[in-house]
Amino acid sequence: DVKVTQSSRYLVKRTGEKVFLECVQDMDHENMFWYRQDPGLGLRLIYFSYDVKMKEKGDIPEGYSVSREKKERFSLILESASTNQTSMYLCASSRHRGGSYNEQFFGPGTRLTVL
Amino acid sequence: AQSVTQLGSHVSVSEGALVLLRCNYSSSVPPYLFWYVQYPNQGLQLLLKYTSAATLVKGINGFEAEFKKSETSFHLTKPSAHMSDAAEYFCAVIDTGGFKTIFGAGTRLFVKA
Repeated sequence: DVKVTQSSRYLVKRTGEKVFLECVQDMDHENMFWYRQDPGLGLRLIYFSYDVKMKEKGDIPEGYSVSREKKERFSLILESASTNQTSMYLCASSRHRGGSYNEQFFGPGTRLTVL
Repeated sequence: AQSVTQLGSHVSVSEGALVLLRCNYSSSVPPYLFWYVQYPNQGLQLLLKYTSAATLVKGINGFEAEFKKSETSFHLTKPSAHMSDAAEYFCAVIDTGGFKTIFGAGTRLFVKA
């Protein structure tokens, strides 16, 4: 059974803390993505990566960075957490092939609260 | 860039009634379209996808969607709603570059007993 796992389901952090969200996939997928999900706004892409050590900014990269040192692992970093980063964070992966093969496989999500 | 619009942030149906969730996409050749479902406290999972092989696409749990190029629509339907269908549904399209998926804002489906 294919799987995308995220390091935490729930996380509570203080303003100004450095926060690491980890995502691991076991499908040998080239592409990996980080989204945040907020009520009424759907999914917004933060960063994505199409290869090891490669990263591309999504629609809302401000305040975030990412790391992809290994193919199976994609980390999202909040350098200095702020209350407006309280959200649900979803990781996803997909194969490198184009078109309809790019269905995404999602992890269960991390609900982050910044106090 | 591609985009999708989901009409209605909330839809409520009675158990056993028809489910219709609307999605319109911005025109492109070819569009790669998807419906995903998110159950409470879970990530998204693929419900069905349009691959251009057939305009009527069948997915899991009795859902299907019809691709209508003339209307730029990809509406999701199910003949008879079940309580377990209560979830949030997202229409999505592959962006022009081929890597990114553009998601609609989502439609939350409520099923009344």
